[in-house]
Amino acid sequence: GAVVSQHPSRVICKSGTSVKIECRSLDFQATTMFWYRQFPKQSLMLMATSNEGSKATYEQGVEKDKFLINHASLTLSTLTVTSAHPEDSSFYICSARMEGPQPQHFGDGTRLSIL
Amino acid sequence: QKEVEQNSGPLSVPEGAIASLNCTYSDRVSQSFFWYRQYSGKSPELIMSIYSNGDKEDGRFTAQLNKASQYVSLLIRDSQPSDSATYLCAVNKRDSSYKLIFGSGTRLLVRP
Repeated sequence: GAVVSQHPSRVICKSGTSVKIECRSLDFQATTMFWYRQFPKQSLMLMATSNEGSKATYEQGVEKDKFLINHASLTLSTLTVTSAHPEDSSFYICSARMEGPQPQHFGDGTRLSIL
Repeated sequence: QKEVEQNSGPLSVPEGAIASLNCTYSDRVSQSFFWYRQYSGKSPELIMSIYSNGDKEDGRFTAQLNKASQYVSLLIRDSQPSDSATYLCAVNKRDSSYKLIFGSGTRLLVRP
């Protein structure tokens, strides 16, 4: 149980392109979903927290107009990296949790490479 | 002081040995504690959850929690080379966001 699916797993695109990443909880309703970014050999960095039907809460230093998050249902959240540039190249990982002090379950991640 | 602290390692143990991974946290009223395993280039995978003082066992894994000492540990019995990974200790933030505060991770290397 508690499976989180993330797509696509890898994206390579040109600078200036917008990229959408989907995160789905397959067998549970996710009260909250989280988006992380991880650079090579570095720790996970939380970008934003999203609750179904409300605006995402962004961490300090994360541009909300650059990283658009939509949490349209209890099983789907999307992250759109708008006008991506090479410095946005990273490993983006979503997670989801059920209501209460439950663990977060992670998707497989999306490796984004901007040329 | 970091909110969640782990020794970065690497912790090197021979195959078949017990690997002991430790974590301390600063928020005394934290209630939920988790261990994740992350292989290189992959996303974290939940290994154990623990919510009350004492030991919790699941197969070769045992999580230990001591709230008085603000200490949580993970023991891996009969370590295998496939256990070689980075182990992340995580604590639920004490607010309604349920954010996880991660330690920087301990890299475990199990030698064949």
